[in-house]
Amino acid sequence: EIVMTQSPATLSVSPGERATLSCRASQSVSSNLAWYQQKPGQAPRLLIYGASTRATGIPARFSGSGSGTEFTLTISSLQSEDFAVYYCQQYNYYWAFGQGTKVEIK
Amino acid sequence: EVRLVETGGDLIQPGRPLRLSCAASDFTVSSKFMSWVRQAPGKGLELVSVIYSDLNTYYADSVKGRFTISRDNSKNTVYLQMNSLRVEDTAVYYCAREGNDYSMGYWGQGTLVTVSS
Repeated sequence: EIVMTQSPATLSVSPGERATLSCRASQSVSSNLAWYQQKPGQAPRLLIYGASTRATGIPARFSGSGSGTEFTLTISSLQSEDFAVYYCQQYNYYWAFGQGTKVEIK
Repeated sequence: EVRLVETGGDLIQPGRPLRLSCAASDFTVSSKFMSWVRQAPGKGLELVSVIYSDLNTYYADSVKGRFTISRDNSKNTVYLQMNSLRVEDTAVYYCAREGNDYSMGYWGQGTLVTVSS
């Protein structure tokens, strides 16, 4: 079983600032890593797949990087609509989600 | 436009069965892997089950032997049969479809299952 660990649990950021979220896998998942955004009362939305490819319609301020066991989601300049919970997910061996990082307004 | 609509959520007693449905539009469910992901109140996401295009299936350990995933190609619908429900199965259940790779590119709006006596 692959365990995904996200940090921090909560990130307080001011609008316009950069946010950097981390995700670590307990063993290598190659580049089989996705990031999802979830707002209250809504379903998750795919942001990034293949560790660094933006899904259709996702703004360029969202970027993903990493491979193996260490991954990062960067939001270059936070907009009001970006305050949400973000989950990473590996799909190299079946699937597993991280526990989420909440990005809140500072 | 790809659309997934889940139905069947309910308030149900422990030990009882329940079947969830996920009706798909604008693609055929037999052509992609389809999954059920749940989210307990205030908690994170948990993959419950997957059905591949070749009909192979995957189950989380927490539901193995109790839940069964299936699909009806003629109705373009995926099902989750949940037996021997437990209080800890209480969650919003989302249907999700394969994206460009093995990520989950499309999600329904979810259906709430509450298991309580």
